Amino acid sequence: QQQVKQSPQSLIVQKGGIPIINCAYENTAFDYFPWYQQFPGKGPALLIAIRPDVSEKKEGRFTISFNKSAKQFSLHIMDSQPGDSATYFCAASRENQAGTALIFGKGTTLSVSS
Amino acid sequence: DAGITQSPRHKVTETGTPVTLRCHQTENHRYMYWYRQDPGHGLRLIHYSYGVKDTDKGEVSDGYSVSRSKTEDFLLTLESATSSQTSVYFCAIRAGGVNTEAFFGQGTRLTVV
Repeated sequence: QQQVKQSPQSLIVQKGGIPIINCAYENTAFDYFPWYQQFPGKGPALLIAIRPDVSEKKEGRFTISFNKSAKQFSLHIMDSQPGDSATYFCAASRENQAGTALIFGKGTTLSVSS
Repeated sequence: DAGITQSPRHKVTETGTPVTLRCHQTENHRYMYWYRQDPGHGLRLIHYSYGVKDTDKGEVSDGYSVSRSKTEDFLLTLESATSSQTSVYFCAIRAGGVNTEAFFGQGTRLTVV
């Protein structure tokens, strides 16, 4: 049972484009939704995160949109740059439960061409 | 960078041998996790710990065991390595409470031949 479903698996955009990565979750008890960015040979690193009490969060060129009723959230990258080429993972967890763990989607490989 | 170190960084081992991977942190974070990363599968949780001697299974725990006898160390053991356990293994740490960011190590590339 896949608790967090991520799409697309891969994405190619031109520099300046706006790639959008989507995730859907099953467990309505999830209350923390981060996005991680991973470059080849490195561990994932937190990019941006949102809680279900807000519908949108922006940090620089990165925006999370959250739809609680649809159990979906997405990452938008404005004015994408070649340096944004990486693998992106969405994740979810229950922060109100002791011993909680992050459950990750399968990842999206983004390539931004110059 | 968060103080998290994985060792070894690379290992090749034979089928049927036991293997232990080590995760060491200097942040005194409560939570520690082991994930494996495989193409097309993303990051899958193997085991995690929420305190010394407190551990629990993740979604792909079969064939793995863990131990945490000190706050700073979380060991992952492959009891009898199989080729299906060839993967990149990541350790992650989290403080817990209001600080929910997970910090990942650099990963261990394990090849079972």
